[in-house]
Amino acid sequence: NAGVMQNPRHLVRRRGQEARLRCSPMKGHSHVYWYRQLPEEGLKFMVYLQKENIIDESGMPKERFSAEFPKEGPSILRIQQVVRGDSAAYFCASSPVWDFSSGANVLTFGAGSRLTVL
Amino acid sequence: RKEVEQDPGPFNVPEGATVAFNCTYSNSASQSFFWYRQDCRKEPKLLMSVYSSGNEDGRFTAQLNRASQYISLLIRDSKLSDSATYLCVVSLNQAGTALIFGKGTTLSVSS
Repeated sequence: NAGVMQNPRHLVRRRGQEARLRCSPMKGHSHVYWYRQLPEEGLKFMVYLQKENIIDESGMPKERFSAEFPKEGPSILRIQQVVRGDSAAYFCASSPVWDFSSGANVLTFGAGSRLTVL
Repeated sequence: RKEVEQDPGPFNVPEGATVAFNCTYSNSASQSFFWYRQDCRKEPKLLMSVYSSGNEDGRFTAQLNRASQYISLLIRDSKLSDSATYLCVVSLNQAGTALIFGKGTTLSVSS
């Protein structure tokens, strides 16, 4: 089991460019989550998706950020017109369909994509 | 008040020491509680879930006090490999779909 795969691991963009980060969940997992970790900060929830559905995007900035999880292929976090403040580590996590009887849901995180905006 | 607060440390301890981390959370409706471990510039990894009755996993013991909204982690017989940042994490639902992370407490174990 390859775990949660994220790419690219490192991405450098100039201000105004677009950044696309990809995440393939663990085999058998149908739920994907994106978190952002700014330097010296804790991880912050951004968005929770299932295939073809955004379930909770309460943590997404209102502008420039979007996420999708298509029927086929990885989940993509897209940042348009990047600014220096977008420089951060973006972590994707996945989980299976949650079963109440099995206790609290546990997320598995990928190694992260580090975005640097020049 | 921050949603999840932790003492950032660093905690510098010798091998074999016992060390305790504390965490407080602000939302009394929180349902699920966890300790994660994050090594430098790597992804967070689940260390253990925290249950109301307290739970132990080898050298690690976690306690939850819902009345005080307080979570603790005790590490006994510290190893060099325990050096990492320990993240206190809560969720408002059992499904754990929107985790709230503390900034973490840094532990450095030296020989």
